[in-house]
Amino acid sequence: DQQVKQNSPSLSVQEGRISILNCDYTNSMFDYFLWYKKYPAEGPTFLISISSIKDKNEDGRFTVFLNKSAKHLSLHIVPSQPGDSAVYFCAASGGGGSNYKLTFGKGTLLTVNP
Amino acid sequence: DTAVSQTPKYLVTQMGNDKSIKCEQNLGHDTMYWYKQDSKKFLKIMFSYNNKELIINETVPNRFSPKSPDKAHLNLHINSLELGDSAVYFCASSPSRDIYEQYFGPGTRLTVT
Repeated sequence: DQQVKQNSPSLSVQEGRISILNCDYTNSMFDYFLWYKKYPAEGPTFLISISSIKDKNEDGRFTVFLNKSAKHLSLHIVPSQPGDSAVYFCAASGGGGSNYKLTFGKGTLLTVNP
Repeated sequence: DTAVSQTPKYLVTQMGNDKSIKCEQNLGHDTMYWYKQDSKKFLKIMFSYNNKELIINETVPNRFSPKSPDKAHLNLHINSLELGDSAVYFCASSPSRDIYEQYFGPGTRLTVT
């Protein structure tokens, strides 16, 4: 039962262009969403988050957009840099009884080519 | 200075053995977590402790037992290891139970042969 889905296992973009990573969720109780970045052999690192009361949150080159009616969020990275190459996980919280739990997607491997 | 540390980083052991993974955080956080990342790459919560109190206990075999001696430490003990336990186990912490930005350790790759 995948409540958080990242349907693209991988994405390749050129340096300087925009990277768009997508995430869909099924649980309408989710009210807080996060993006994590993971390099090989390291733990995930928190990147950016958004509450369900907002539809956009921006932090430097990273912007997260939330479309609650579509149960969809996306992470935009502009401009993309080779150092952004990593696996990006979408996560959600607030889904019912275990409010303190994060549910993760499977991740999308982003490769930024120089 | 490592914020969330785990030992060991790699663990290779045989079926039926008992092993422990240790986690320590020096961030002063109240809440700690154990996650399992299996071969399909899903990160799934296993347990969470808040100030030494168990607050999340997902559907995990009772061969897995977490122990939190104090709020800076959360250890994971696994009895009678099985092949399917092979995975990467991540420890994480957050300032409190209702702050979802979690800080992860580097992971422990467990291989059961």
